[in-house]
Amino acid sequence: DQQVKQNSPSLSVQEGRISILNCDYTNSMFDYFLWYKKYPAEGPTFLISISSIKDKNEDGRFTVFLNKSAKHLSLHIVPSQPGDSAVYFCAASEDDKIIFGKGTRLHILP
Amino acid sequence: DSGVTQTPKHLITATGQRVTLRCSPRSGDLSVYWYQQSLDQGLQFLIQYYNGEERAKGNILERFSAQQFPDLHSELNLSSLELGDSALYFCASSHPTKGLAGGYEQFFGPGTRLTVL
Repeated sequence: DQQVKQNSPSLSVQEGRISILNCDYTNSMFDYFLWYKKYPAEGPTFLISISSIKDKNEDGRFTVFLNKSAKHLSLHIVPSQPGDSAVYFCAASEDDKIIFGKGTRLHILP
Repeated sequence: DSGVTQTPKHLITATGQRVTLRCSPRSGDLSVYWYQQSLDQGLQFLIQYYNGEERAKGNILERFSAQQFPDLHSELNLSSLELGDSALYFCASSHPTKGLAGGYEQFFGPGTRLTVL
């Protein structure tokens, strides 16, 4: 039973446009949500996070939105750049245990 | 560089064999987590240790075991290896206190790629 779901295995976006990656979760006890970025042959790197008491967190080109009633979060990347091509993992945590989604592969097209 | 180190980077072995993967957490981190990533799969949580004690268990097979030593480095032991155990194995660590954003972030090592032939 997947507690964190990323329903889009891949996404292609034109360079300069907005990339929107989506994630759904089922456990209402999750109190912290994170996005990780992964390049091939490297470990995932932490990108941005949001506490369940907030609905938006912004860091430069990256913004994460949380809709608790819908149990949905999204990551917006504006503007998208070639270096953003990677796999993005959504994750949700309760205390120090984190559950990861299966990831969405983002392709930024020239 | 996340500060988490993993050795070896690559490991090729045969079915039925046993291997040990090693992880050193970031300085100050007390928790170590092990994950398995198979082809086209997400990060499957295997096991967590906190300050030497097992804290949480995920989808870890009985053929697999782990431990965390007094210096906080951790080892993941995989035995009676099967072809399906071929995967990337990641170690991550986290600090005992929450970050400024209100949660625990995990920092990942570069992974060990295990190939079972």
